[in-house]
Order: sequence, then C-alpha cells, then structure tokens
Amino acid sequence: DTGVSQDPRHKITKRGQNVTFRCDPISEHNRLYWYRQTLGQGPEFLTYFQNEAQLEKSRLLSDRFSAERPKGSFSTLEIQRTEQGDSAMYLCASSLFISAAITYEQYFGPGTRLTVT
Amino acid sequence: AQSVTQLDSQVPVFEEAPVELRCNYSSSVSVYLFWYVQYPNQGLQLLLKYLSGSTLVKGINGFEAEFNKSQTSFHLRKPSVHISDTAEYFCAVTFKSGGSYIPTFGRGTSLIVHP
Repeated sequence: DTGVSQDPRHKITKRGQNVTFRCDPISEHNRLYWYRQTLGQGPEFLTYFQNEAQLEKSRLLSDRFSAERPKGSFSTLEIQRTEQGDSAMYLCASSLFISAAITYEQYFGPGTRLTVT
Repeated sequence: AQSVTQLDSQVPVFEEAPVELRCNYSSSVSVYLFWYVQYPNQGLQLLLKYLSGSTLVKGINGFEAEFNKSQTSFHLRKPSVHISDTAEYFCAVTFKSGGSYIPTFGRGTSLIVHP
C-alpha cells in the first residue's frame, strides 16, 4: 500500500491553456474521487468513479472539465481553456466500496496545486 | 441539503492545554460524521468517524469526538495538545441513504499550538 499519488504536485499555467492532472489510487480501491480546495475552504466534490464508470458529477464541474478512468485504475482530470478562477488545489481520494462492508473512509493524495496566471 | 459549519476558523492554544474544535451540521436524515486532519503540503488523513453505536468516538493521536444528535454537533477534543498537532482540521458529513457516500466538508479550523 503506497498510498494515493498525484502528479504533478504543482502546475503553473497561463490563462487559456489546457492542463491535465493524474491520480493513482491505492491499487485495490474501486472508487476514485476528485475534489477542489480553495484557500480557506474545505474540499468540494467534483466527480467520482466506481471502477471505470463515472457515476456522479458536481455542478462545479463545468464543460471545460473532463475526467476519465479508462481502465479502472489511474484517473486523469483535464481542464481546458483555464481561467484564473480555476486556481486551486485539486485533490484525489480513493476508497474500497463493498456493499456488504462499507467503511466510508477515503484516502487522500497530496494534491496538485494549480496556479493560472 | 446537508451543510457543515465549523464555527472557528482559527484556534490558538498553548502546548499541553486542552482543545475543542466545534462542528455543527444540518441534515434532515441520518448522517455519518468524520474528522480529517491536513498537515502542511499533505493530503487529508482520517482522524475518526462516527457511523453508529457509542456517541463518544476515539481516534488517532489522542483525539476524540462526541456525536450529539439533538444539537446536531460533532465536536473534536483533545485533553492535551502537542506542537505536532498544529494543522488544519476538517469536519465532514455524509448521508446514510444513497449509494454515493460523498462527504460534505466544513471550511476547516486551523489549530495553532504555541510552545
């Protein structure tokens, strides 16, 4: 168990550019979540996957955002045409969901800090 | 809709003193409750959780929390803090019904422990 990893840890980009972040969950975890955290706020849910299926998306996830988990393992979050308001910490979390034994605990990665100039 | 209120944005305290971080939630249905800690430049780590049973929950690092259904609160306590407890603490709540179990987080409380 190496924990949840995220890459890159920091990203500085110019307004209008596209960026992509990667999350590698704990290997046996079937659920993967993306959150956004701005300064002075708690994490806000963006979307989550169970295996490769994207089951829920927040209204925060505009059309410029897209997430994938193609093989049910790692996930990517892409932001197109970045805006200054996209500057935030993007957190990934994973969990093991078994209906007979739900623990509800999510394991978080260290986050990717995005700065849009 | 469920919401979580952490009443204090910052709590300064001296080392070895007791501390309480307050959390209130609003929900019309039963909930599961969590406290997470975030150290600088790290991800969130689960401190403790309340799912059912005893209303007093013990977690890691000497922290505990008490679920009070009538007051819709889940305050976090530690009898004697250390410098290493300096961090951001987040309260979170999720519905008991439904299949997504996505938590709603409070804004966080910054615990600052002074020597």
